[in-house]
Amino acid sequence: AQKVTQAQTEISVVEKEDVTLDCVYETRDTTYYLFWYKQPPSGELVFLIRRNSFDEQNEISGRYSWNFQKSTSSFNFTITASQVVDSAVYFCALSARNSGNTPLVFGKGTRLSVIA
Amino acid sequence: DGGITQSPKYLFRKEGQNVTLSCEQNLNHDAMYWYRQDPGQGLRLIYYSQIVNDFQKGDIAEGYSVSREKKESFPLTVTSAQKNPTAFYLCASSRAGVANTEAFFGQGTRLTVV
Repeated sequence: AQKVTQAQTEISVVEKEDVTLDCVYETRDTTYYLFWYKQPPSGELVFLIRRNSFDEQNEISGRYSWNFQKSTSSFNFTITASQVVDSAVYFCALSARNSGNTPLVFGKGTRLSVIA
Repeated sequence: DGGITQSPKYLFRKEGQNVTLSCEQNLNHDAMYWYRQDPGQGLRLIYYSQIVNDFQKGDIAEGYSVSREKKESFPLTVTSAQKNPTAFYLCASSRAGVANTEAFFGQGTRLTVV
């Protein structure tokens, strides 16, 4: 069975602070993919990043960075110098490579509020 | 523009009535999905379809039905058997057969039972 845990339900930070969103996953598959999505108040989920299980390189995209560690089954997301526009619910998701296309399994999300 | 369109954005239903949520995509994706989102529950999979005329139950399929007669369309019917249908429903699509591809989401339909 696959499972994604986002232990932080809600986080509030003041603008310009750095914030890290935690994601811990469980899977027995050796090939799997991890994702982060952002859900702004409009409701649509916006894709942020995809990572495969064989690539543990950290990635940086502007103010966003991701830390993938297989040893701890974690795929954490850091926003540097947060801005009010970063306020949203963030979801971590997992897809394992079985036969066919395995639907994404989502965590329960972390609601981030950035206060001006 | 390519994307996924869900309609309506808001839907009200009386208890005991069936209601159908529309999902259309023009991304030429083979796979489509329906998720339900409740406060604090994240997204839970209702049904998914990897190809036309075929679909599979997800984790919470009871009280729901779907059809996939066309590649572009994957409507979801919330039946009177669904005990607690008030929720936010999200439709998504992705390329089939490729587990590492991201899913694209519609803007959702908020269903309220009155």
